Amino acid sequence: DAGITQSPRHKVTETGTPVTLRCHQTENHRYMYWYRQDPGHGLRLIHYSYGVKDTDKGEVSDGYSVSRSKTEDFLLTLESATSSQTSVYFCAISESGQTFNYGYTFGSGTRLTVV
Amino acid sequence: AQSVTQLGSHVSVSEGALVLLRCNYSSSVPPYLFWYVQYPNQGLQLLLKYTTGATLVKGINGFEAEFKKSETSFHLTKPSAHMSDAAEYFCAVGSTLGRLYFGRGTQLTVWP
Repeated sequence: DAGITQSPRHKVTETGTPVTLRCHQTENHRYMYWYRQDPGHGLRLIHYSYGVKDTDKGEVSDGYSVSRSKTEDFLLTLESATSSQTSVYFCAISESGQTFNYGYTFGSGTRLTVV
Repeated sequence: AQSVTQLGSHVSVSEGALVLLRCNYSSSVPPYLFWYVQYPNQGLQLLLKYTTGATLVKGINGFEAEFKKSETSFHLTKPSAHMSDAAEYFCAVGSTLGRLYFGRGTQLTVWP
């Protein structure tokens, strides 16, 4: 979707190194989300944000941190990458917290491999 | 609390056959229900959604889903499968807290 961009699209990193993934939106949506997708687990919520500097944890937040200093950018940081964090990471945006109205718009994903 | 169960992680059909992907939900509040599709190496895109009103919801690419409160179900159907329908499909339930809860997905294979 042209309104949401994830970078990088692919990354290979070594165990123990810090990694930051970026989600950028041009829709001026308030809500942003980070999910990871793994075979057999579907999509699991890592962190989400309901406004600038307002973030909260999801179901699998251990080992991850986030920051949102501007409406358009939501950063996901792996402080010290581990092999269990090898996954595909998706960012999503929502126009409001009332997801029944709009649902989510997803980015194209970042494939992260930790070796 | 909200949760979603998708019955069958893999479904295979022949081209032209009926597609039926099953989704059951659990919700402590009136549910808002979604189906998303994911093509290989892409993100998820919205197929259809149920919020209020008509229980039979039509989406893109000829898909539709029916909300059945008594069965807590929101199954996805398409009368005639096409090769281009091969993808992974996710059912999701929304909460008023601004989050979606996803099922584990169903991989649809379409045979020629």
